[in-house]
Parts: sequence; C-alpha cells; structure tokens
Amino acid sequence: NAGVTQTPKFQVLKTGQSMTLQCAQDMNHNSMYWYRQDPGMGLRLIYYSASEGTTDKGEVPNGYNVSRLNKREFSLRLESAAPSQTSVYFCASRGREGNGYTFGSGTRLTVV
Amino acid sequence: AQSVSQHNHHVILSEAASLELGCNYSYGGTVNLFWYVQYPGQHLQLLLKYFSGDPLVKGIKGFEAEFIKSKFSFNLRKPSVQWSDTAEYFCAVPPGGSYIPTFGRGTSLIVHP
Repeated sequence: NAGVTQTPKFQVLKTGQSMTLQCAQDMNHNSMYWYRQDPGMGLRLIYYSASEGTTDKGEVPNGYNVSRLNKREFSLRLESAAPSQTSVYFCASRGREGNGYTFGSGTRLTVV
Repeated sequence: AQSVSQHNHHVILSEAASLELGCNYSYGGTVNLFWYVQYPGQHLQLLLKYFSGDPLVKGIKGFEAEFIKSKFSFNLRKPSVQWSDTAEYFCAVPPGGSYIPTFGRGTSLIVHP
C-alpha cells in the first residue's frame, strides 16, 4: 500500500545512547517532515526537507539531526538521547502545494 | 510568525450531540486549511481540506468545516457525533507557498455512548 513507513514502532533507549528513526515514502513526494507529539503540545516540527538534498530546522531541532538520503527516505538521528526526547515521533510527506500531508504510523520512543 | 489556535482542548459529548471545534489562524495571506483526526493509538489522517472555492468544505464521516476569511477561522462541525468519533482533532495551516504546516495543539473529543 502506498504511504509513509516508519521504523521502528517502539524503542526504549538509555540516556546517552544513539539511534536513527527511519522513514520512507513511496508516493514520489518532494517534501518530508519529522514531528514530535507530546501531550498538550500538539505536533511540533523538528526538521523538514522541502526537496531531495535540502534540509532545514523546524521549531525544536536541538538534539536531532536528519538526512534526506534520497527522494524516498528521510531519517532522524538522536546522537545522545535524553529523557526530554521521550515522545511519539511522526514522519510525514507532501506532494504538491495544496495537497494534504500523509503521516506515518509513528515511533514511540522512551528514554530512561 | 504563523500561529494556529484551537480553543477547545477537551470536549466531552453524548452520542447524537452536535459538534463544533474552533480553529483560528494568524496568517493574513493565502492559506490552505486542513483538519486532521487521530484515533487512539493511530497516526494522523486527513479529515478535510480547503484551498479555494466554496468556503464550506465537506469531509469524510459527515464532518464539514467553514472557512470564514474575515474571522481567520476554519471551524469543524458535525451535526450528530458517534462514539467512534472519539479522537484527537488537529487544525493545520500552511501559509500559501510554504511547505511547513503549523498545527494547532489539538482538541481531544470524547463521545459517550
């Protein structure tokens, strides 16, 4: 099925560990996004990529890095995880302006 | 900077009650407007969208929203809610020409059977 695929779905990390969240879309979308969702905070943009080869910071980029590996894939890396990064992470993509955003199923990350 | 306000953070209704969720945005130019729904444990799904034409937009599952440009609003409505509408609802507004949607903080809707 066409859509946005995120892996893993669940992850527990110890403080200081690193990991990469993977995201891939098969809809030939140009734009891709990483959000985090926390209770009462809605969705906050971490990083986005308007097109292949470009990435930009969003509202809450500290502690994260991203790679737009190709048009399909946009990964999010935590170099040294902190408990404040405990959250649900969503990847999204969008094609042309005016179209809606398609979200992945999310990654629930716990940092202990 | 663009901001999106959802005034109702928590709404509790009984089945068959009418629903209206508020969404206001600050951007004064051309906007695209979206409502997303997130059912418990699931990802966000598009409910409806507006980017031109008739300001009254109909979406899936009987939802509709009205764009009122003079009020910078895009309120979501449903005449008669069902238990299965229990979910979190997000308004999103990317300014025209922008790739970046600004999301409201969400409204948690609980519908009692």
